[in-house]
Amino acid sequence: NAGVTQTPKFRVLKTGQSMTLLCAQDMNHEYMYWYRQDPGMGLRLIHYSVGEGTTAKGEVPDGYNVSRLKKQNFLLGLESAAPSQTSVYFCASSRGKGQGNQPQHFGDGTRLSIL
Amino acid sequence: DAKTTQPTSMDCAEGRAANLPCNHSTISGNEYVYWYRQIHSQGPQYIIHGLKNNETNEMASLIITEDRKSSTLILPHATLRDTAVYYCIVRVGAGGTSYGKLTFGQGTILTVHP
Repeated sequence: NAGVTQTPKFRVLKTGQSMTLLCAQDMNHEYMYWYRQDPGMGLRLIHYSVGEGTTAKGEVPDGYNVSRLKKQNFLLGLESAAPSQTSVYFCASSRGKGQGNQPQHFGDGTRLSIL
Repeated sequence: DAKTTQPTSMDCAEGRAANLPCNHSTISGNEYVYWYRQIHSQGPQYIIHGLKNNETNEMASLIITEDRKSSTLILPHATLRDTAVYYCIVRVGAGGTSYGKLTFGQGTILTVHP
């Protein structure tokens, strides 16, 4: 029973490099989310998706892009990594509209360091 | 989404009940109370949620006051593995114009002692 799986778990990048974080869920959830968590701060929403082929901006979207080509996958891209993007990234998924007030289920995070 | 207020930290003895309070005096009629926890280095874990009735599941109980302005999460028999940051979040459910965004505050650091 995998739930939400994030890859990779750790990564170190140099400033200016690009990379993609992958989130996969096996619960047939409509909604998916990307958050970042920094020391002393709560989780902040980067982007979210309410269904396959749709994405929208959250609270802190600058410097990130996302794609939801398949219902089970939600990708977070950094085109040109900056030290300010050093963080722990969490993906979450939940049931969507018309499916009740269902909770979000989180992955174990990707720890990203940008030098 | 309504703002919540939680104590910064709490202690509990192993085997005892842990009662974590949360104030949400500006809660609206269609907003739910959710509780999550985050154990060090792991992703947030859903615990329980409710609208106005008390709720219980295999992990915890949620007591919501009649005026809905505060709630208490109860871990009936705390263990060392319950040491974590506990977040009380108030939000509307997913659906309509809401995408179910969660707003995490600072939470309560619960430390369970042997």
